[in-house]
Amino acid sequence: GDSVTQMEGPVTLSEEAFLTINCTYTATGYPSLFWYVQYPGEGLQLLLKATKADDKGSNKGFEATYRKETTSFHLEKGSVQVSDSAVYFCALTGSGGYQKVTFGIGTKLQVIP
Amino acid sequence: DAGVIQSPRHEVTEMGQEVTLRCKPISGHNSLFWYRQTMMRGLELLIYFNNNVPIDDSGMPEDRFSAKMPNASFSTLKIQPSEPRDSAVYFCASRPGYPRGPRSNEQFFGPGTRLTVL
Repeated sequence: GDSVTQMEGPVTLSEEAFLTINCTYTATGYPSLFWYVQYPGEGLQLLLKATKADDKGSNKGFEATYRKETTSFHLEKGSVQVSDSAVYFCALTGSGGYQKVTFGIGTKLQVIP
Repeated sequence: DAGVIQSPRHEVTEMGQEVTLRCKPISGHNSLFWYRQTMMRGLELLIYFNNNVPIDDSGMPEDRFSAKMPNASFSTLKIQPSEPRDSAVYFCASRPGYPRGPRSNEQFFGPGTRLTVL
């Protein structure tokens, strides 16, 4: 079945540092890929997405590129802020059927001033 | 747009009691999902509905859990009897689905219900 592997956290960075959170996936066909973010005490919300190979999703300074050859969708940001402290989830939606969503375990990011 | 609405936001109950969590999805969305989140197990999909029909309930822990979606605007997750290990945050999410559009694959999450079973 489909699966998402995400790097274990927590990740602690200083403000303005470069961020990478790794995500790889296993799926048949052509899944859509997502990054969701969960701020403390809130539900998940979509951060960015990509629906086909080589697409780059971007939002709020975050980027991720759909790499089919390496089955990866790594999240990056050039300069993190304290307000980026949250839990980040990589996810995929299968290309067929009822499109069940598969989430990774989540990576907690803490940005310190 | 009110978003996904969940109630109650917090629930504290005693072991053995029945608990009912409620969800109102975004109007027009075709799919609805119930998740459970704990520190130990992360985010787990319990069940999801498409057009009010349960499609996959393989994540429902055991017979104590049941979920219904009597119409397109309301769903419940019931735990009877509740146990301390059911303590978690329960999220409901909805998704536009068909007809296809730019946001048809995006899930919209509610704020969650924090359940504590003593």
